[in-house]
Amino acid sequence: LAKTTQPISMDSYEGQEVNITCSHNNIATNDYITWYQQFPSQGPRFIIQGYKTKVTNEVASLFIPADRKSSTLSLPRVSLSDTAVYYCLVGDINDYKLSFGAGTTVTVRA
Amino acid sequence: GAGVSQSPSNKVTEKGKDVELRCDPISGHTALYWYRQSLGQGLEFLIYFQGNSAPDKSGLPSDRFSAERTGGSVSTLTIQRTQQEDSAVYLCASSATRTASYEQYFGPGTRLTVT
Repeated sequence: LAKTTQPISMDSYEGQEVNITCSHNNIATNDYITWYQQFPSQGPRFIIQGYKTKVTNEVASLFIPADRKSSTLSLPRVSLSDTAVYYCLVGDINDYKLSFGAGTTVTVRA
Repeated sequence: GAGVSQSPSNKVTEKGKDVELRCDPISGHTALYWYRQSLGQGLEFLIYFQGNSAPDKSGLPSDRFSAERTGGSVSTLTIQRTQQEDSAVYLCASSATRTASYEQYFGPGTRLTVT
């Protein structure tokens, strides 16, 4: 797993867009970027995965610049239920041993 | 469709007793993983199954821990002679890919408390 750095916490308000940036300066050619969400007392939830440029699904968008040394998870129009810890992982496509760091605690307020 | 289910959701046991934790993966998912997450700790990989075989047991912390998977579906994680340090949330995940992957779908976990 490549080392990743992400903010410890972020605050937002309902209806706003939340952008969480993850730094991964040592990303390797075969590495993909994956984000998970975890609510208290629940298992992690896969959000999105990407290799380059932009990936979008019904939950979020993932922006990856050309040098791939960072990535940004974008959560559009957050609600109170988006309050959770968000984890950024970087690893080879054949990796499977998930390992979470501290993650980013996102708190959405009314 | 149904997600990954785990049972029991909570288990309190006395030190020295054996426990069995069950995981029902998403139907059709060939890869299955067990992790544990302790309070304030990160996610710790335990074991990976592809079908009924376990090519990677490297995360099992001691020989008191074992796991099996039958019929390419249900998996059981067994902890013998439980110790207080085994207290944690045990999470099961599955993935649809033919090879293991970072795209995993987790169950709600079993909270194990050893008294």
